[in-house]
Amino acid sequence: AQKVTQAQTEISVVEKEDVTLDCVYETRDTTYYLFWYKQPPSGELVFLIRRNSFDEQNEISGRYSWNFQKSTSSFNFTITASQVVDSAVYFCALSEAPGANSKLTFGKGITLSVRP
Amino acid sequence: SQTIHQWPATLVQPVGSPLSLECTVEGTSNPNLYWYRQAAGRGLQLLFYSVGIGQISSEVPQNLSASRPQDRQFILSSKKLLLSDSGFYLCAWSIGTGEETQYFGPGTRLLVL
Repeated sequence: AQKVTQAQTEISVVEKEDVTLDCVYETRDTTYYLFWYKQPPSGELVFLIRRNSFDEQNEISGRYSWNFQKSTSSFNFTITASQVVDSAVYFCALSEAPGANSKLTFGKGITLSVRP
Repeated sequence: SQTIHQWPATLVQPVGSPLSLECTVEGTSNPNLYWYRQAAGRGLQLLFYSVGIGQISSEVPQNLSASRPQDRQFILSSKKLLLSDSGFYLCAWSIGTGEETQYFGPGTRLLVL
């Protein structure tokens, strides 16, 4: 069975600090997808990134970067120069069955608070 | 572009009353549709998913049910609400041809008293 662990539950940083959100996953499949979602106080989950198991290249999008390492089954998310607007709950998720019946398994989420 | 709507945004219902939450998707055809529940301070739990009209799969036993009367409409229902049904209900969609990314609606906050 697939599993996603986000060991950090709450992180508090001061604006402009860098912060890394950890995600460790378990799966028996060789083909799978990893995701990060952001849930601001309004509640809607906002899709941030999708990564497939065959692509370990790190990705950078503005202040956001993702480090995917199959050797440690980790998909960590770093926010550089954090801002107050980054305050949210961040979820890592895993999809093990590509196709019409794909289902997401979510971690429990990390609450990030960025103080001015 | 695709958009997903949910209503109502918030709902306060007494125990034992019925429930109907609606989700509609625009801008795509034959999507996969999903209902999730997020209890206070907890992660997301998949309740139901549907790959087509009238096709519903249940992930957890409960007093909730789902229906898909039209291609882009997904309804979550209950005949008698329990206190434990309180939570934040999220609908999501994905392209039904191998694209795994799910896109979420704004959610419905349900409080059962």
